[in-house]
Amino acid sequence: EVKLEESGGGLVQPGGSMKLSCVASGFTFSNYWMNWVRQSPEKGLEWVAEIRLKSNNYATHYAESVKGRFTISRDDSKSSVYLQMNNLRAEDTGIYYCTRYDAMDYWGQGTSVTVSS
Amino acid sequence: DIKMTQSPSSMYASLGERVTITCKASQDINSYLSWFQQKPGKSPKTLIYRANRLVDGVPSRFSGSGSGQDYSLTISSLEYEDMGIYYCLQYDELYTFGGGTKLEIK
Repeated sequence: EVKLEESGGGLVQPGGSMKLSCVASGFTFSNYWMNWVRQSPEKGLEWVAEIRLKSNNYATHYAESVKGRFTISRDDSKSSVYLQMNNLRAEDTGIYYCTRYDAMDYWGQGTSVTVSS
Repeated sequence: DIKMTQSPSSMYASLGERVTITCKASQDINSYLSWFQQKPGKSPKTLIYRANRLVDGVPSRFSGSGSGQDYSLTISSLEYEDMGIYYCLQYDELYTFGGGTKLEIK
């Protein structure tokens, strides 16, 4: 059974940093692109970042709204993908999901991030 | 950037009714389109990928169709458990979600 489990969310002040993790199981992690997607009442579902495979030199892509502030990475030996978020803003508040593949065929349960003073 | 226009934004339908939700892309997305269902407090669940391929375990009353810029999700006979919010996603050029369709039972 494919499972994605996010962790690391919480409350952070504007300008602060936070690192999210997602552990995968039930499939060969190293064979799949992975994404982070966030959801808020104001913006709905919003793609955040993508990381490709070792064979793609772990190429990454980012939404314009997070470029230069967020970094996606992966550790295939731990079947994990990460999202380092710096210089956080109130508008980064939301539930963050990791998803598998470009079709986003599986989603984790999400982790909540609140940016507030 | 590719824009996805999803319609309707909300709808009521009766049990047993045929329901269709549409998504229109701002350019040809070559059938790189997924459909998701989300229920309150839950993460989205994938129903369809590549425009018309049903994810394993999804009931056959769900189907996807379309090409080019225009795509649709059809529920052939609405059941109570189909209530929720439906989203489309294009993944031809990076990723863009539709704004969602809230489906309620009449």
